[in-house]
Amino acid sequence: GENVEQHPSTLSVQEGDSAVIKCTYSDSASNYFPWYKQELGKRPQLIIDIRSNVGEKKDQRIAVTLNKTAKHFSLHITETQPEDSAVYFCAVSSLSLNAGKSTFGDGTTLTVKP
Amino acid sequence: GAGVSQSPSNKVTEKGKDVELRCDPISGHTALYWYRQSLGQGLEFLIYFQGNSAPDKSGLPSDRFSAERTGGSVSTLTIQRTQQEDSAVYLCASSASGTGRTEAFFGQGTRLTVV
Repeated sequence: GENVEQHPSTLSVQEGDSAVIKCTYSDSASNYFPWYKQELGKRPQLIIDIRSNVGEKKDQRIAVTLNKTAKHFSLHITETQPEDSAVYFCAVSSLSLNAGKSTFGDGTTLTVKP
Repeated sequence: GAGVSQSPSNKVTEKGKDVELRCDPISGHTALYWYRQSLGQGLEFLIYFQGNSAPDKSGLPSDRFSAERTGGSVSTLTIQRTQQEDSAVYLCASSASGTGRTEAFFGQGTRLTVV
């Protein structure tokens, strides 16, 4: 089955700095890569996703880049703010009619210091 | 409702008792997941249902854990003879299948405390 590794497990940055979280995966058939944010005491929610036919996607201060050849993708947060402090999970799945099981990374706890 | 609903929100049970946790997925979502999350930890995969296919039970930690999905909709996670190490938040998620976006929508979770 799919194996997803996420690094780092914890990340502390100063407000205004950038944060980068990276995930690697093993199954070359995987083609959908979402990122989820889980604030303290709340449920994980999707913040951005990318499909394998795209190399980069950006939404305001967050972006995701994908390297299909190397089988890794990264979440980039620029101009970090204290409200970005949360646990971030990457996930990997295959979009198809009958499959699509998502495999999650172990999470990265991001702390943005004011 | 429009989202994934879980009940109860909180459950305190005595060691050795059985518990049932319920998940109502988003209508029409064919995929349903159960995860366990201990304080400050990641998402521990338990079980995955997809349509009428046999469920992927590879994450269930012991034979005390079982899950059913009735009619492709509501799911129940049962823990028999609960132990203190079963204490955690149990999260359910559902997603649509197909070649479109298949993001997972999570419920608010059931916080289980075994005393």
